[in-house]
Amino acid sequence: RKEVEQDPGPFNVPEGATVAFNCTYSNSASQSFFWYRQDCRKEPKLLMSVYSSGNEDGRFTAQLNRASQYISLLIRDSKLSDSATYLCVVNPRASKIIFGSGTRLSIRP
Amino acid sequence: DADVTQTPRNRITKTGKRIMLECSQTKGHDRMYWYRQDPGLGLRLIYYSFDVKDINKGEISDGYSVSRQAQAKFSLSLESAIPNQTALYFCATSDAGSATEAFFGQGTRLTVV
Repeated sequence: RKEVEQDPGPFNVPEGATVAFNCTYSNSASQSFFWYRQDCRKEPKLLMSVYSSGNEDGRFTAQLNRASQYISLLIRDSKLSDSATYLCVVNPRASKIIFGSGTRLSIRP
Repeated sequence: DADVTQTPRNRITKTGKRIMLECSQTKGHDRMYWYRQDPGLGLRLIYYSFDVKDINKGEISDGYSVSRQAQAKFSLSLESAIPNQTALYFCATSDAGSATEAFFGQGTRLTVV
C-alpha cells in the first residue's frame, strides 16, 4: 500500500462548480499535512496547511480526519485559474516528506 | 533570486554518461530532498538528507547517488545515465520539525538519449 494515495483524476468541472479531493495516508503517526498546487512543468507550491480543526482560505477548505486517516480539499466557486494538479503531502515527525501522486483538475468555461 | 536554485535547468545527455544535478539553497534549512517526477506518477523520492552527515535512500535510489557538500548544497549524480531516467527532477528543502512546508527549486528537465 502506498504511504499516501490520491485519486489521480482528471476532474473536469465547469467554472463555478464545487469540487472536492480526498487523500488517504497509511502512517497513523503522521503529524502534519499540506496541500500543494503544481502547474504544468512548474515546481509544486504550498496551497495550504491542514489543521486538525479544519481550516479555510478564501474558496479553499481543508479538513483532516485522523480516525480514518484522510485529508480533503474543497474548492468552491472554481475559477479557470484553479486548473492545476493538487498534491497531498504528509510529513511524519522526524521523517521524510511524502507526496501523493496528485489529482489533476481542469476547469472548463 | 530564488531561495532554492537548481542547475542546470535543462540537460540532454547520452546513455552511459555521468551527469550531476546541483541544488543550492539560501533558506538555512537542514533538510534537503531530491525528487523525480514522471507523468502520472507524481513526485517520487530519490534521496534525502537531514544534515550534512546524513544521507538516506528514498523509494527509487537505484542508479543515483548524492552528495551533501554543505548545509546549503545537495547534488544528485547519475553515474551512468539511461533513457528511463529521463524525467523532471526537483530539489526541495524544509526546516526540521514536522509542521514545516517544503520549498522547491524550479526543476531540472533531463533527457537521456
